Amino acid sequence: SQQGEEDPQALSIQEGENATMNCSYKTSINNLQWYRQNSGRGLVHLILIRSNEREKHSGRLRVTLDTSKKSSSLLITASRAADTASYFCVPVLGGTSYGKLTFGQGTILTVHP
Amino acid sequence: DAMVIQNPRYQVTQFGKPVTLSCSQTLNHNVMYWYQQKSSQAPKLLFHYYDKDFNNEADTPDNFQSRRPNTSFCFLDIRSPGLGDAAMYLCATSGIRQRLPINYGYTFGSGTRLTVV
Repeated sequence: SQQGEEDPQALSIQEGENATMNCSYKTSINNLQWYRQNSGRGLVHLILIRSNEREKHSGRLRVTLDTSKKSSSLLITASRAADTASYFCVPVLGGTSYGKLTFGQGTILTVHP
Repeated sequence: DAMVIQNPRYQVTQFGKPVTLSCSQTLNHNVMYWYQQKSSQAPKLLFHYYDKDFNNEADTPDNFQSRRPNTSFCFLDIRSPGLGDAAMYLCATSGIRQRLPINYGYTFGSGTRLTVV
């Protein structure tokens, strides 16, 4: 398994603004997943993008994947105070029928009302 | 509606006193994972079960054990908790029978926060 490296480590924005978080990883992947963790809570799966996909949308979330650069980005549009959380990207290798997720430090997003 | 349930949400135990954390799922997922997350750190995988097959991470201390009596339940046993074991413990599941689990995200429980006094 491998972990993603999120950038920036912390991001502070005003409500209504867009938030962009970046992720880099090191080896070839089967898919890449983004998770959110509200303070003191479990993680919530946000979106999964497969290695043959370049962009995916889910509500206010937009994820891109560039396998040639081994990077991904998560865009949250029109952010809300409730989006305040830590965000983790998790690259998932192939080779087994199930993945073991390894988490990096994440990006701490703070959205001010 | 809760699909991965962890009990209790908060657990206080005494130094050295065995403690068990529990996780149950209604998803019929075949893979279950236990993560440890210390304050301001990333979740760290301790071990996982693929069906009944137990898989320990190389750096998981011997103090941590796990049991999975059936598909729905998984337990984390800490034999002699030390102060350094205070953390949030997260249970997760993945896998839809007849399909490749890696194509789907994990479902996490809300976690159990363990305090050692």
